[in-house]
Amino acid sequence: AQSVTQLDSQVPVFEEAPVELRCNYSSSVSVYLFWYVQYPNQGLQLLLKYLSGSTLVESINGFEAEFNKSQTSFHLRKPSVHISDTAEYFCAANLGGGSEKLVFGKGTKLTVNP
Amino acid sequence: DAGVTQSPTHLIKTRGQQVTLRCSPISGHKSVSWYQQVLGQGPQFIFQYYEKEERGRGNFPDRFSARQFPNYSSELNVNALLLGDSALYLCASSLPGRASTGELFFGEGSRLTVL
Repeated sequence: AQSVTQLDSQVPVFEEAPVELRCNYSSSVSVYLFWYVQYPNQGLQLLLKYLSGSTLVESINGFEAEFNKSQTSFHLRKPSVHISDTAEYFCAANLGGGSEKLVFGKGTKLTVNP
Repeated sequence: DAGVTQSPTHLIKTRGQQVTLRCSPISGHKSVSWYQQVLGQGPQFIFQYYEKEERGRGNFPDRFSARQFPNYSSELNVNALLLGDSALYLCASSLPGRASTGELFFGEGSRLTVL
């Protein structure tokens, strides 16, 4: 079965430190990949996406993710985090074939401490 | 502009009861998807509706049903509630074909507790 795996359920870091949230997917077909963020008591928001083309994608608030087909990974990184980045981050995939269903990982809770 | 709105925001039911959750999509969005998010897990796809027709269904029992109305709003119904149905139910709307490219707009969810 196709799946998305987030290897860390919780990641605590200090403010201004770099962070990497890991995501791996299993699929034998081309995929679209996404990172969503969920702030406390809010719905999910699309952070960034990979559809095709450049394997490095960036968001407007300094996050970036790199699609690595050989390692079936789509890790999320930020070189310097802020307190306001504290949230839960979900990796997701659309596995194509005409389906609009997204498959989500279990999420990684990022806590940025002062 | 109003985002995706869901009601109720919180509700408590007992086992065996039935529940109806409601969703109003963003104006102009004709596609609505429902996801279940159990505590500690990522969202799981339940249904997608487009133009009042079911376009996709996840691995959920027949106790779960949904429909979409002419104004594109949607309802999710769950019958014979089980304790395991306790979750945050998320509704997301999108333009046609855009859900597959991740352009889903989520509501804040309806938190269902089954006692």
